[in-house]
Amino acid sequence: GAVVSQHPSRVICKSGTSVKIECRSLDFQATTMFWYRQFPKQSLMLMATSNEGSKATYEQGVEKDKFLINHASLTLSTLTVTSAHPEDSSFYICSARDGLGLAGVDTQYFGPGTRLTVL
Amino acid sequence: QQPVQSPQAVILREGEDAVINCSSSKALYSVHWYRQKHGEAPVFLMILLKGGEQKGHEKISASFNEKKQQSSLYLTASQLSYSGTYFCGTEGRGSTLGRLYFGRGTQLTVWP
Repeated sequence: GAVVSQHPSRVICKSGTSVKIECRSLDFQATTMFWYRQFPKQSLMLMATSNEGSKATYEQGVEKDKFLINHASLTLSTLTVTSAHPEDSSFYICSARDGLGLAGVDTQYFGPGTRLTVL
Repeated sequence: QQPVQSPQAVILREGEDAVINCSSSKALYSVHWYRQKHGEAPVFLMILLKGGEQKGHEKISASFNEKKQQSSLYLTASQLSYSGTYFCGTEGRGSTLGRLYFGRGTQLTVWP
């Protein structure tokens, strides 16, 4: 099956610093990846759609200058949390869309997530 | 955009059945179901497309009523491994096509 990796799995940083999270599709090409945020025991909240070779599309209420997204290749998208604050602490999960998943149906596969703690 | 899931939690004995519901206020193109275990990534279970076509898990079935904008996931003869939080993700039509918006989840616990 399709595999998506994320790195790092856990990161602790000081307030005011920036953190970069990588999302890779390992065995398929993904023109579109998605970034989600999940608080404990809550839903997956879509933050932005990452499009290879073009600007990301952000959901309402998500600060694009704070959450920088770059989709440099068909297998890699990065999310950079800039000037991190304690309220940015969360579980960040990416997904990658496989257009050839399940007999040609677009299927999203999730990465294992990154636990960000801002001190 | 966020669909509504019910129930919030279900507790079962091994071998029992469960139904999880998902409804949206928006017209839907597809519904995707995932299961997430604590501290792990959501795992894909099922896609339901308009027209009734479904693709996914062998032992789990689901329905999709496009008119009512609702989907239900049916777990029959539940196993211990079915425990986890189930999320439905809905894909709308138009400008949001391709994006999934998730419900708050249904926590399923299966006891031996």
